[in-house]
Amino acid sequence: EAQVTQNPRYLITVTGKKLTVTCSQNMNHEYMSWYRQDPGLGLRQIYYSMNVEVTDKGDVPEGYKVSRKEKRNFPLILESPSPNQTSLYFCASSPFGGDSPLHFGNGTRLTVT
Amino acid sequence: DQQVKQNSPSLSVQEGRISILNCDYTNSMFDYFLWYKKYPAEGPTFLISISSIKDKNEDGRFTVFLNKSAKHLSLHIVPSQPGDSAVYFCAAGNAGKSTFGDGTTLTVKP
Repeated sequence: EAQVTQNPRYLITVTGKKLTVTCSQNMNHEYMSWYRQDPGLGLRQIYYSMNVEVTDKGDVPEGYKVSRKEKRNFPLILESPSPNQTSLYFCASSPFGGDSPLHFGNGTRLTVT
Repeated sequence: DQQVKQNSPSLSVQEGRISILNCDYTNSMFDYFLWYKKYPAEGPTFLISISSIKDKNEDGRFTVFLNKSAKHLSLHIVPSQPGDSAVYFCAAGNAGKSTFGDGTTLTVKP
């Protein structure tokens, strides 16, 4: 089944404790992206990757890191999480960019206390 | 500066009638526009798209209209069905960057 898999689905952590949210897709898509969803703010793009070893900042990249060492994986790293990063995070992929339909994962709900 | 806006947080329509969801944007560099639907506890799913060189795209019950001069996008659902009840996001982009609206919650009453 074609899918984007995020792990974990739920995560509660404390301020400053490094964490990684994994994202994997099995559709051989070139493009992958991370978004966060907050009430009243819609989906905001954090980082995106057009291809392996190519990553670019979205609209809200501060406090986040990403890497794209292999086509299928695009982990989101929070080196020192803070409470304002409490949010619902979505990973997405598409064949060749944001203008082709995005396939989203089911989300990761992160709470930073 | 919110570049993509969905000014109606919610919309309620009767089953069988038309649903019209609206979206306004400010960046004239956007060259593609998409609509996504989202159910609770799931990720958004793609619904329909339109490129900036077109003004209409139709797929079954769903039609998207683009008015570039007004920087306005709309999604028409005809006829509306209870299963269409969800949050709808419009998205606009250029190259790899995508900007989403806040979403409109559509409720279709039986």
